[in-house]
Amino acid sequence: KAGVTQTPRYLIKTRGQQVTLSCSPISGHRSVSWYQQTPGQGLQFLFEYFSETQRNKGNFPGRFSGRQFSNSRSEMNVSTLELGDSALYLCASSLGGDAYEQYFGPGTRLTVT
Amino acid sequence: AQRVTQPEKLLSVFKGAPVELKCNYSYSGSPELFWYVQYSRQRLQLLLRHISRESIKGFTADLNKGETSFHLKKPFAQEEDSAMYYCALGDGQNFVFGPGTRLSVLP
Repeated sequence: KAGVTQTPRYLIKTRGQQVTLSCSPISGHRSVSWYQQTPGQGLQFLFEYFSETQRNKGNFPGRFSGRQFSNSRSEMNVSTLELGDSALYLCASSLGGDAYEQYFGPGTRLTVT
Repeated sequence: AQRVTQPEKLLSVFKGAPVELKCNYSYSGSPELFWYVQYSRQRLQLLLRHISRESIKGFTADLNKGETSFHLKKPFAQEEDSAMYYCALGDGQNFVFGPGTRLSVLP
C-alpha cells in the first residue's frame, strides 16, 4: 500500500499571502488529521476530518482551515500568513472510527518570509 | 485539559544498557496512550499503543493509571534505537503529543 503523501514538500510564502497544502491518505483510510510541528511548540494538533466532516479541532485561529473530499484526500489552508506560521505541517491518516493508529506523511515545510 | 509531559529532552545511554523514557499525562478520563518514534530522515511512526500491550523492537510500555504514567522501556538498548520518541494521548476528541525525548545510544 502506498503511504501518506503530502504536496508540496517545501513552500516559501510571504506574510499576508495564503497557502494550501494537500494530503493523500492511505487507501481505505477515512480519517485525516493535521499537525503543526515547530521547534518551540513541538507537535500540535490542528484538526481532524472524517468522512468529509471536521470531527475534531485543536486550538488554532480561524486562519487555519481545512476540508476533505469524497476520496478522503484533504487540504489545509492558511490565510493571511504570519512569520510564526513557519513550520513543518504533518498529515496523518487512520481508518477512522475510534482507531487511533495514525500513519504520518513526510510533511510540508512552510517558510514564511 | 489533557497534557503530556516528557521530562527529558535528551537521554544518552550506552549500547546494551537499559533505557527508560518517561511519560506522564494529565487527563481525567480513560485515554489511549501511544509512543511514536521518528528515526533520522524518516517520518513519524507508531511504535506502541497501550491497548495492544505488545512489545515492538524490544520496547514495552505499561500504563500506570495511579501514577498517570506510560513510560517506555527496553532492557538492552541498541544503536539503531537512537531516535526522537514522542508520547501521545488520544481522548476521542484531541490527540496530544508530548515534547519528545531524543534518545542517543552510544557505542
